[in-house]
Amino acid sequence: DAKTTQPPSMDCAEGRAANLPCNHSTISGNEYVYWYRQIHSQGPQYIIHGLKNNETNEMASLIITEDRKSSTLILPHATLRDTAVYYCIVRVAGTSGTYKYIFGTGTRLKVLA
Amino acid sequence: DAGITQSPRYKITETGRQVTLMCHQTWSHSYMFWYRQDLGHGLRLIYYSAAADITDKGEVPDGYVVSRSKTENFPLTLESATRSQTSVYFCASREGPSTDEQFFGPGTRLTVL
Repeated sequence: DAKTTQPPSMDCAEGRAANLPCNHSTISGNEYVYWYRQIHSQGPQYIIHGLKNNETNEMASLIITEDRKSSTLILPHATLRDTAVYYCIVRVAGTSGTYKYIFGTGTRLKVLA
Repeated sequence: DAGITQSPRYKITETGRQVTLMCHQTWSHSYMFWYRQDLGHGLRLIYYSAAADITDKGEVPDGYVVSRSKTENFPLTLESATRSQTSVYFCASREGPSTDEQFFGPGTRLTVL
């Protein structure tokens, strides 16, 4: 199964863009990249996902390199409430026609006032 | 209340005892998942289920048993708890096999003495 590699921690100034990198060099052509975040010890929350093209929603942007070996999650204007652990995930095919998530170890983002 | 719930939220048990963690979702989602979260490992998939009476092993299934007699419930049983099973356990559900978002419960913190 594909694996992801993320820096263990990052700091970002409030109001600035937070750019969180992820390496997934062994990803297969039909495997999606997902991002979730976990605030304190709550359950992870969905942020965004993509396959090949860059994606944007109300929370973030996802930039995927052309060779799909890495991606970057961008929080355009980080706030203190964005302090969390961010997980880069590869969605791989499982059995029974479903898909399963392979989590990385996450990046602990601290937004500084 | 709508959503996904887990019980108990906290549990302390002793080595060798049987423990069952409950997961209940109100959306009638077909797919349900159990993960464990340990320091340095992110979230790892234990078992998942595509529908009632259909379950499959994830990355770390040893020592765990699951059942799914009803769509809304997905209990996880530790038949003979070991200290290495001390962890935070998250249940999750998803509407379809490739639905974008997976919803996580609040977690159960299990300590095995």
